[in-house]
Amino acid sequence: DTGVSQDPRHKITKRGQNVTFRCDPISEHNRLYWYRQTLGQGPEFLTYFQNEAQLEKSRLLSDRFSAERPKGSFSTLEIQRTEQGDSAMYLCASSPVVQHPTFYQQYFGPGTRLTVT
Amino acid sequence: GQQLNQSPQSMFIQEGEDVSMNCTSSSIFNTWLWYKQDPGEGPVLLIALYKAGELTSNGRLTAQFGITRKDSFLNISASIPSDVGIYFCAGINTPGGTSYGKLTFGQGTILTVHP
Repeated sequence: DTGVSQDPRHKITKRGQNVTFRCDPISEHNRLYWYRQTLGQGPEFLTYFQNEAQLEKSRLLSDRFSAERPKGSFSTLEIQRTEQGDSAMYLCASSPVVQHPTFYQQYFGPGTRLTVT
Repeated sequence: GQQLNQSPQSMFIQEGEDVSMNCTSSSIFNTWLWYKQDPGEGPVLLIALYKAGELTSNGRLTAQFGITRKDSFLNISASIPSDVGIYFCAGINTPGGTSYGKLTFGQGTILTVHP
């Protein structure tokens, strides 16, 4: 049973460049979440997908950020014109399609560590 | 926005000791989750709690959902070196009965276990 996978694990980019991260959720999980975690803090919610529909976006997700889940399977998170403040761990999580309340359990991937120089 | 206060911020204990940590909120949550995170990795789900007053165990870990629905507690018994890591509480509030929940995390408790 494979878990949530994320690619790449690490990304170093120069300020102003665009970056894209990929998340593959656990198979048959139709709910997918993106979070951002900075050093010494807990993860913060960015956005949520149910199948291919993006149903909620945090105010943290500025217009430089865009997320997609085109076929309801994997998801991508793109950051345009990166800034040093974007440096963080970007975490993806998925949750299962089962009866209440187990669908609240979110399983995280290993994260993508972004460093903007 | 909702805030979760987790305490203590860090703990240094001897192997074999028991550990207690807690999480409090100014808002009500209807689900509490506890996670452990190792450096450079994503959080791993330890325990999920769904009802006020619920007490749930997972091996040496026991967690409780506070009666007021504004707090939760995690205990680790007979700690071992591999318990080292950062423990996070996370709460879900689902207004309107939505079938998903964005997690609100605490700041984490850093646990160090000396052999």
